[in-house]
Amino acid sequence: NAGVTQTPKFQVLKTGQSMTLQCAQDMNHNSMYWYRQDPGMGLRLIYYSASEGTTDKGEVPNGYNVSRLNKREFSLRLESAAPSQTSVYFCASSEIQTPYEQYFGPGTRLTVT
Amino acid sequence: AQKVTQAQTEISVVEKEDVTLDCVYETRDTTYYLFWYKQPPSGELVFLIRRNSFDEQNEISGRYSWNFQKSTSSFNFTITASQVVDSAVYFCALSDENSGGSNYKLTFGKGTLLTVNP
Repeated sequence: NAGVTQTPKFQVLKTGQSMTLQCAQDMNHNSMYWYRQDPGMGLRLIYYSASEGTTDKGEVPNGYNVSRLNKREFSLRLESAAPSQTSVYFCASSEIQTPYEQYFGPGTRLTVT
Repeated sequence: AQKVTQAQTEISVVEKEDVTLDCVYETRDTTYYLFWYKQPPSGELVFLIRRNSFDEQNEISGRYSWNFQKSTSSFNFTITASQVVDSAVYFCALSDENSGGSNYKLTFGKGTLLTVNP
């Protein structure tokens, strides 16, 4: 039981490049989330998926797209990376879209130069 | 709008001292949930506790205890007899119905970095 896994762990991009961050969970959770963590800012929600087939914007969605590929997988895409997107990205999942605790992946450290 | 304030950016203590991490929240809902997460130097976020707005009983788990006071909108976290392994960033978070209609999302505070020195 791996919980929430994220790939890659580290990535360096040049401005304008695109990439997809992958997230998968094996806990049969319905809801999945993408956050970014910046120094002194806590975690901010980018997008979330309440259930398979639905996605919604969070607090900071600009510059990102998401895909809920199936119940297990939720990917985050940067179409044209910008230095402001340098951050640590966390994926999380929860049992259903209620205030149950969220379980987090190990994070992806992204640097955009 | 919902908001979580962790006024202590950094705290440094010596091992075996007790330490309290403060969390103050704002919400217009009567039904809401409060959480604490730990982020050790390795980077992952670890769930510690969830408390709903109707349960003001304090909770103790080993060296950890939580004091929830609705009257002051606070949900403080105390570590008794701190240890070096407690060194981490601790986040308080809030989830309420107004986090997006019926969708419960977490609003995090900015975190408190706790350093426990030997």
